[in-house]
Amino acid sequence: KAGVTQTPRYLIKTRGQQVTLSCSPISGHRSVSWYQQTPGQGLQFLFEYFSETQRNKGNFPGRFSGRQFSNSRSEMNVSTLELGDSALYLCASSLGVGRGTDTQYFGPGTRLTVL
Amino acid sequence: AQSVTQLDSQVPVFEEAPVELRCNYSSSVSVYLFWYVQYPNQGLQLLLKYLSGSTLVKGINGFEAEFNKSQTSFHLRKPSVHISDTAEYFCAVTLSEGNTGKLIFGQGTTLQVKP
Repeated sequence: KAGVTQTPRYLIKTRGQQVTLSCSPISGHRSVSWYQQTPGQGLQFLFEYFSETQRNKGNFPGRFSGRQFSNSRSEMNVSTLELGDSALYLCASSLGVGRGTDTQYFGPGTRLTVL
Repeated sequence: AQSVTQLDSQVPVFEEAPVELRCNYSSSVSVYLFWYVQYPNQGLQLLLKYLSGSTLVKGINGFEAEFNKSQTSFHLRKPSVHISDTAEYFCAVTLSEGNTGKLIFGQGTTLQVKP
């Protein structure tokens, strides 16, 4: 079974631009979660989507948004990029029905650099 | 609110020596506990998880962890480490109530195995 894939793997943008990251979950998984990883703040939860609906949201500004498609693929968008948005963005997929017991499988991440 | 504290940011150890990575958590409700490993330039991989039952949990690659409810700890151990265990290790919790894919992570512990 193919793992979680994220595209692109690396991205360089300038301040004020917007960016869209993509995540394809493991086949059969209906939940996709996004995390931001930085040296200073560590791993922080952005949001979770399940069956095309946002089920959970972290404490990030409205510039961060996401969506999920009917095939469970997910995208996250960051508008008006700031230098502090430079990070590794990780996507994780799970079955989504286990009330917290499901194992989340992580993709390799997208490394975003904002100049 | 929940929080996770990993007590050591770096743990240097010689090859074939035992190691313990410490994790404490804080939560007013029941949680599930996880340990993930991240190798350089990769996503996170689940080592083990505690959901219920026996407080000693065995995971992959020879790792095990013990859940201690009274001390709110979930320390990770390995009796004999290898060079290949050099990586960053993350302790995480998720709520045991409600459908949620939100993992709350500690700041991570870098395990450095020396020859």
